[in-house]
Amino acid sequence: QSVLTQPPSASGTPGQRVTISCSGSSSNIGKNTVNWYQQLPGTAPKVLMYSNSQRPSGVPDRFSGSKSGTSASLAISGLQSEDEADYYCAAWDDSLNGFLVFGTGTKVTVL
Amino acid sequence: QVQLQQSGPGLVKPSQTLSLTCAISGDSVSSNSAAWNWIRQSPSRGLEWLGRTYFRSKWYNHYAVSVKSRITIKPDTSRNQFSLQLDSMTPDDTAVYYCARDGGYLIDYWGQGTRVTVSS
Repeated sequence: QSVLTQPPSASGTPGQRVTISCSGSSSNIGKNTVNWYQQLPGTAPKVLMYSNSQRPSGVPDRFSGSKSGTSASLAISGLQSEDEADYYCAAWDDSLNGFLVFGTGTKVTVL
Repeated sequence: QVQLQQSGPGLVKPSQTLSLTCAISGDSVSSNSAAWNWIRQSPSRGLEWLGRTYFRSKWYNHYAVSVKSRITIKPDTSRNQFSLQLDSMTPDDTAVYYCARDGGYLIDYWGQGTRVTVSS
């Protein structure tokens, strides 16, 4: 089963803007919404963004999401040290009986 | 607030069966709006969805193609929990296993994770 493609790493200095891309196909991102997760070491992933661009309560507004066609992106504006983590995109895929597909993950480093 | 509490062994021998359980509080395994998933994570495979069970007038199960021949996910309504059974384990199945709730096209709650090692 397919995966969504993300860059393995991204970095920036405090205050900079970092963007993470997520590339999929017509059967997943092209048809369904994209969710983003933040994972800190030793913990389960946490919802960072849902339905492409919606932030759960408690997520700072420096995080934003978008989707176009079969790709999505997550932007972090005003990068902070606590944003250093792994980030994953995810979307349901409508092929077969339907399955959840995750991105390959991006490690964000704050320099 | 939904909470998922996992239990099960952290060490499994090759060819044996992995059995994990996920106890649900704050929701029902028989919910008509949620689905109950197992997901694993390893350095080689990343995050991998394994399957789900859910109730919509009857029970449904969907499994990932990669494990379809050896996986069973079962609800237990009397204990409000669900389980994962993965047969014929190999070292390639070594991973952190998570149970998780899908509250509507969004995996919104995760268990604490169980680190499973396949080794003799």
